[in-house]
Amino acid sequence: AQRVTQPEKLLSVFKGAPVELKCNYSYSGSPELFWYVQYSRQRLQLLLRHISRESIKGFTADLNKGETSFHLKKPFAQEEDSAMYYCALSRMDSSYKLIFGSGTRLLVRP
Amino acid sequence: EAQVTQNPRYLITVTGKKLTVTCSQNMNHEYMSWYRQDPGLGLRQIYYSMNVEVTDKGDVPEGYKVSRKEKRNFPLILESPSPNQTSLYFCASSFGTPSGAGELFFGEGSRLTVL
Repeated sequence: AQRVTQPEKLLSVFKGAPVELKCNYSYSGSPELFWYVQYSRQRLQLLLRHISRESIKGFTADLNKGETSFHLKKPFAQEEDSAMYYCALSRMDSSYKLIFGSGTRLLVRP
Repeated sequence: EAQVTQNPRYLITVTGKKLTVTCSQNMNHEYMSWYRQDPGLGLRQIYYSMNVEVTDKGDVPEGYKVSRKEKRNFPLILESPSPNQTSLYFCASSFGTPSGAGELFFGEGSRLTVL
């Protein structure tokens, strides 16, 4: 069965420190991976997807099929990065379902 | 403004009293979906719809019904709510499938309490 695991419920860092939000998945086929973010009092929104291989707001994520991971990274955290982050997986062969992890709250302190 | 609108945003009801949570999008999206969010469990998909009159079960469909009579609307129906359906519900839509051409656009959420 497909599963997305985000092991940290809360990650607290100081402004300017590097950030890595962990995401591991279990799926035997080819996955599509996403990161969604929910800022305070805003709607959940797409941050980035692995097929785009882009950097959004300084965040990057690389799909590591060997380790079945899709960790979200940023070299220097900003206070405005504080939010709830969700990793999500979709099957390449059946993209109607998007499976979310339990989320990690990132708190960037001044 | 392009958006997904859910109503009601907050609702307290009693066991067995039928209720409907409405969802409407103004972006002409084909795909719509309902999720519930519970502490420690993230978002779990309840039902989704690929287009008008096309719906299918997600991972936790028990106790819920949906319909897609019009492209813009995708109501979630709880025929006989129970306390274990107390949750935060999100409606979302996308152009095409969520992993294909479209990213998911979410509503603001509906917090439901069943006593």
